[in-house]
Amino acid sequence: DAKTTQPNSMESNEEEPVHLPCNHSTISGTDYIHWYRQLPSQGPEYVIHGLTSNVNNRMASLAIAEDRKSSTLILHRATLRDAAVYYCILRASGTYKYIFGTGTRLKVLA
Amino acid sequence: NAGVTQTPKFQVLKTGQSMTLQCAQDMNHEYMSWYRQDPGMGLRLIHYSVGAGITDQGEVPNGYNVSRSTTEDFPLRLLSAAPSQTSVYFCASSQRQGGGETQYFGPGTRLLVL
Repeated sequence: DAKTTQPNSMESNEEEPVHLPCNHSTISGTDYIHWYRQLPSQGPEYVIHGLTSNVNNRMASLAIAEDRKSSTLILHRATLRDAAVYYCILRASGTYKYIFGTGTRLKVLA
Repeated sequence: NAGVTQTPKFQVLKTGQSMTLQCAQDMNHEYMSWYRQDPGMGLRLIHYSVGAGITDQGEVPNGYNVSRSTTEDFPLRLLSAAPSQTSVYFCASSQRQGGGETQYFGPGTRLLVL
């Protein structure tokens, strides 16, 4: 199963953009890139996903490198409610195995 | 819709006891799965199901059994609890979309095995 590598923690000031990186150098052509986040004492919640092209939704943007070996989750204006652990996950098409890493703990400073 | 519900919220077991963690979803999702999360760690897949009557093993299946007799329910059974199974257990469901689906997670069950 392909693995992802993320920094353990990051800090951001409130109202500023945040770029959360993820390396997935062993990604295969059919692996989707998913991002989930987990607020304290809650289950994970979906943020965004993509395959090859950059993606935008109301929560965030996902920028995928041309060779797909890395991606970046972009929160355009961080708020205190965005403080959470963010997981970058590869999900192979045709399977149902999501392999979570340890994620990046995002701290948002007021 | 209630989404994904899990019961109980918290449970204490003694070593060797058995129990069933309940998970139900009302979104008519085909896929359901169970994860465990140990302190400071990411989630690890225990078992999953791609439809009623079909289950398969994930990364850490030992010590757990599952069955899927209906679309809505996916119970997780601990056969003989061990302290190493102390963890938070999350159930999730999603509709089949070939890789681009969204998983919906339940609130979790905290299990303490003494």
